[in-house]
Amino acid sequence: DTAVSQTPKYLVTQMGNDKSIKCEQNLGHDTMYWYKQDSKKFLKIMFSYNNKELIINETVPNRFSPKSPDKAHLNLHINSLELGDSAVYFCASSPQGRGELFFGEGSRLTVL
Amino acid sequence: DQQVKQNSPSLSVQEGRISILNCDYTNSMFDYFLWYKKYPAEGPTFLISISSIKDKNEDGRFTVFLNKSAKHLSLHIVPSQPGDSAVYFCAASADDYKLSFGAGTTVTVRA
Repeated sequence: DTAVSQTPKYLVTQMGNDKSIKCEQNLGHDTMYWYKQDSKKFLKIMFSYNNKELIINETVPNRFSPKSPDKAHLNLHINSLELGDSAVYFCASSPQGRGELFFGEGSRLTVL
Repeated sequence: DQQVKQNSPSLSVQEGRISILNCDYTNSMFDYFLWYKKYPAEGPTFLISISSIKDKNEDGRFTVFLNKSAKHLSLHIVPSQPGDSAVYFCAASADDYKLSFGAGTTVTVRA
């Protein structure tokens, strides 16, 4: 039973399209995150949510809109996709805002 | 502005020998440091951590050393095993709700 699960694992789409990535954790954690790993392999924080409330928005373009319907889910919707959005997106969770993060397997987004 | 740097993109080591991975940081407010391991097509998994009040933390074959004055930490793996072949990320935290990661070091353990 996967602790942090993301769907889809792979996503190929055209520029200008809108797409969503879903994330669910069954660890009972209060905090969830979205990280982006770009072509240079850096893992960069995009958003942090604690108990469904946005805590961190790391200067991410408005085209990216996270939604947390409950504390076990954090979905990422991306409007008007651009070539530079191609990356691997990782969802993660943690019991609190500090300490060990538990990551999902990642969702590889390719924008053509 | 990359606050956590792993300057060695790759490391090759013979099975049974020591692997030493290095990490430097620039933010003096960082007070908690972690190492993650990542296999291809998987998410990073937590390996070991250290608080800034310590200078060493050990867990089995893995030891992390922290030198606050130099803003440097290292991960020692002894002895290295084939299953240790992976990408290792250094991460640091100053605030709640945010970890800053390095670019990773790819470790290859040769038989």
